[in-house]
Amino acid sequence: DTGVSQNPRHKITKRGQNVTFRCDPISEHNRLYWYRQTLGQGPEFLTYFQNEAQLEKSRLLSDRFSAERPKGSFSTLEIQRTEQGDSAMYLCASSSFGGRASTDTQYFGPGTRLTVL
Amino acid sequence: DQQVKQNSPSLSVQEGRISILNCDYTNSMFDYFLWYKKYPAEGPTFLISISSIKDKNEDGRFTVFLNKSAKHLSLHIVPSQPGDSAVYFCAASALRTNAGKSTFGDGTTLTVKP
Repeated sequence: DTGVSQNPRHKITKRGQNVTFRCDPISEHNRLYWYRQTLGQGPEFLTYFQNEAQLEKSRLLSDRFSAERPKGSFSTLEIQRTEQGDSAMYLCASSSFGGRASTDTQYFGPGTRLTVL
Repeated sequence: DQQVKQNSPSLSVQEGRISILNCDYTNSMFDYFLWYKKYPAEGPTFLISISSIKDKNEDGRFTVFLNKSAKHLSLHIVPSQPGDSAVYFCAASALRTNAGKSTFGDGTTLTVKP
């Protein structure tokens, strides 16, 4: 399977704990995105990387959230001091952008469902 | 301010008939549009896209139409099948500005009845 993978698929934590999610993109893709989705809404953009550079961060990404993509391959999203409002599906996507590519079609992983008690 | 809107939360059609899902946008910088399908507990699956230089793109049973003057796009599924039952998301991005993020609508739940 050469699609986007995310781990863990589910995470239950207590308020105040730190959590970290991992995303492995499609291997030849240079862009990696993080989105958050809550019930009844579409995915909301959080941040994205081109190779190892973090190019944009949403205002939704408070200082409790940090994302890294140290070698331009996999990425991690950490949430510190979790709050109940952080409960959501966290989605990762990747794309191949630049060069001859004139589009930026993002392919999504299965997501990590976070529940903060 | 929601820049991408899907005004119909749900749509029900009979198997074999046409399904038409609609999407409106407000940001004139959007130049690339996508449709995704999502099943429960899974990530969105890419269906079809269209660049703003086109007004139609077709892929098998799926056709996307873009009306730039009305800032409106639609997804047609013909013929509809029960396996098409899912939540459909419209998304838009501004490639000319090299912006990477996609802005999504809130989705339309399609139910195809046998």
